[in-house]
Amino acid sequence: GENVEQHPSTLSVQEGDSAVIKCTYSDSASNYFPWYKQELGKRPQLIIDIRSNVGEKKDQRIAVTLNKTAKHFSLHITETQPEDSAVYFCAAKDGAVGFKTIFGAGTRLFVKA
Amino acid sequence: GAGVSQTPSNKVTEKGKYVELRCDPISGHTALYWYRQSLGQGPEFLIYFQGTGAADDSGLPNDRFFAVRPEGSVSTLKIQRTERGDSAMYLCASSLIVGGEAFFGQGTRLTVV
Repeated sequence: GENVEQHPSTLSVQEGDSAVIKCTYSDSASNYFPWYKQELGKRPQLIIDIRSNVGEKKDQRIAVTLNKTAKHFSLHITETQPEDSAVYFCAAKDGAVGFKTIFGAGTRLFVKA
Repeated sequence: GAGVSQTPSNKVTEKGKYVELRCDPISGHTALYWYRQSLGQGPEFLIYFQGTGAADDSGLPNDRFFAVRPEGSVSTLKIQRTERGDSAMYLCASSLIVGGEAFFGQGTRLTVV
């Protein structure tokens, strides 16, 4: 089955700097890669996703890139703000058939004002 | 409803007892997913439903765990003979179509003492 590795586990940046979180996946048949933001004590919320037929997707200060050959994908947050502080999870849909989504272990992002 | 609703929000039970966790998905969502999240970890897939049927239950850790969705809407996750290791946040999510954007509930925090 699918396995998702996420790095780093903790990331601290200065307000205004960029933050990059990287994930790798194992199943070459996976074709959907969502990213979730989870604030303390709250539910995970989808912030951006990408499908395997696209190499990059951007939504304001957030972008995601996908390298299918290397089986890795990354989240980029530019002009970080204190409210970006949260745990971010990458995920991959397990295979081309079925809809089990496998999550990474998470990255705790601290944005220092 | 406006969002995915999970009840109870907190459940404390004694080791060996039976518990039921309820999930009310967003109205009209055909897919429903259960995840378990331990502290500092990403959500771990348990089971997902497409309509009334369990399409993939490969994440259920053992036969003490069972889930139903008899009318294709509300789902109940049932845990028999609870163990301390079952303590975690249990998250439910739903999506309009299977594989579409998943919306999470606030979760049920289960503590087995």
